[in-house]
Amino acid sequence: AQTVTQSQPEMSVQEAETVTLSCTYDTSESDYYLFWYKQPPSRQMILVIRQEAYKQQNATENRFSVNFQKAAKSFSLKISDSQLGDAAMYFCAYRLYGQNFVFGPGTRLSVLP
Amino acid sequence: DGGITQSPKYLFRKEGQNVTLSCEQNLNHDAMYWYRQDPGQGLRLIYYSQIVNDFQKGDIAEGYSVSREKKESFPLTVTSAQKNPTAFYLCASSIPQGIMNTEAFFGQGTRLTVV
Repeated sequence: AQTVTQSQPEMSVQEAETVTLSCTYDTSESDYYLFWYKQPPSRQMILVIRQEAYKQQNATENRFSVNFQKAAKSFSLKISDSQLGDAAMYFCAYRLYGQNFVFGPGTRLSVLP
Repeated sequence: DGGITQSPKYLFRKEGQNVTLSCEQNLNHDAMYWYRQDPGQGLRLIYYSQIVNDFQKGDIAEGYSVSREKKESFPLTVTSAQKNPTAFYLCASSIPQGIMNTEAFFGQGTRLTVV
């Protein structure tokens, strides 16, 4: 079975600084998708960024970028210039082509003013 | 605007009663999912449906039931057999397969409390 691991239950970062959240996954497949979702206190799940496994180039969305290491099965999220509104739970997720989503346990990010 | 609507936002149920959570989407997505989230934890899959009139159990289906009579709707019933139903429930939808737009879109959730 596919699994997703987020080894950091909680992280904190100073406002305007950079933080990296870790994610590893376990799969024997070669075609899949990876995602980072943000869940703020409102509990609405918001897509932050996605990465297709067949793409070597790391995805970037404004202040959010990923470091995708396919051989190591690692998919970390880097948040640059952290803002107070970035405080949330962050979930890493994996999806095999055409199959269900598998979510990690989440990392709670605090942003300190 | 397209999206997923869950209702109600808060729901209270007495022990021994069944209760149904609503989930409607107008994104024309084939696949729909129900997840349970307990405090400080991740999402656990209850049921999923890849197409109308078909659905499969997820990891924690015991005590729950679903139906998928329409593409737009995927209601979840929490039965009295569910021993610990107090939780936050999230409904999601997605395109089942394809290259573009493969992410899950979520509703705003329903907080169920057993009293």
